[in-house]
Amino acid sequence: DQQVKQNSPSLSVQEGRISILNCDYTNSMFDYFLWYKKYPAEGPTFLISISSIKDKNEDGRFTVFLNKSAKHLSLHIVPSQPGDSAVYFCAASATGNQFYFGTGTSLTVIP
Amino acid sequence: GAVVSQHPSRVICKSGTSVKIECRSLDFQATTMFWYRQFPKQSLMLMATSNEGSKATYEQGVEKDKFLINHASLTLSTLTVTSAHPEDSSFYICSARDGLGRGEKLFFGSGTQLSVL
Repeated sequence: DQQVKQNSPSLSVQEGRISILNCDYTNSMFDYFLWYKKYPAEGPTFLISISSIKDKNEDGRFTVFLNKSAKHLSLHIVPSQPGDSAVYFCAASATGNQFYFGTGTSLTVIP
Repeated sequence: GAVVSQHPSRVICKSGTSVKIECRSLDFQATTMFWYRQFPKQSLMLMATSNEGSKATYEQGVEKDKFLINHASLTLSTLTVTSAHPEDSSFYICSARDGLGRGEKLFFGSGTQLSVL
């Protein structure tokens, strides 16, 4: 059973506009969330994280929003750049040990 | 940030042979490393948790006799795919935690694409 879901397998956005990637989870015990970016045939690289005590965390062009009541988080990228084109995974953890990953969203930023 | 080195990046082997993948934490000590597997267009699936100096903990459905994990030191974990078959072809990724306690990040290796002919 997939505990972390990314229902949009792909997303296309014009350069300079906002990209919004969504992630839903089912386990209410999850209290730490991360976003990773992955290029083909490479390992994921860490982007940004948020703990359940916050509802927003911002780092440059990247902002993660957490809605605990809805068990939903989103990653906002603004402004989007062509180099942001990659697959984005959200991940969640309840113990800080095992992380559960979503299936990923492939973002394409069109120049 | 912390660096995790994974080798080889790509392996093509014949069915029945064994393949060893190495994962090293280059600038930190990792008491725990994780091995993931990813099929095309699917999520990263945790295969096993590798603990330094003790046996690995395997996820349900992962054959421990087929996927041998050795975490001999604080900076090295190896995954050996024994008697590989075409269905073992996949992208294997290791990761390690830098730091203790809650909220630490996972750092990933660059992955190994295994193709079994």
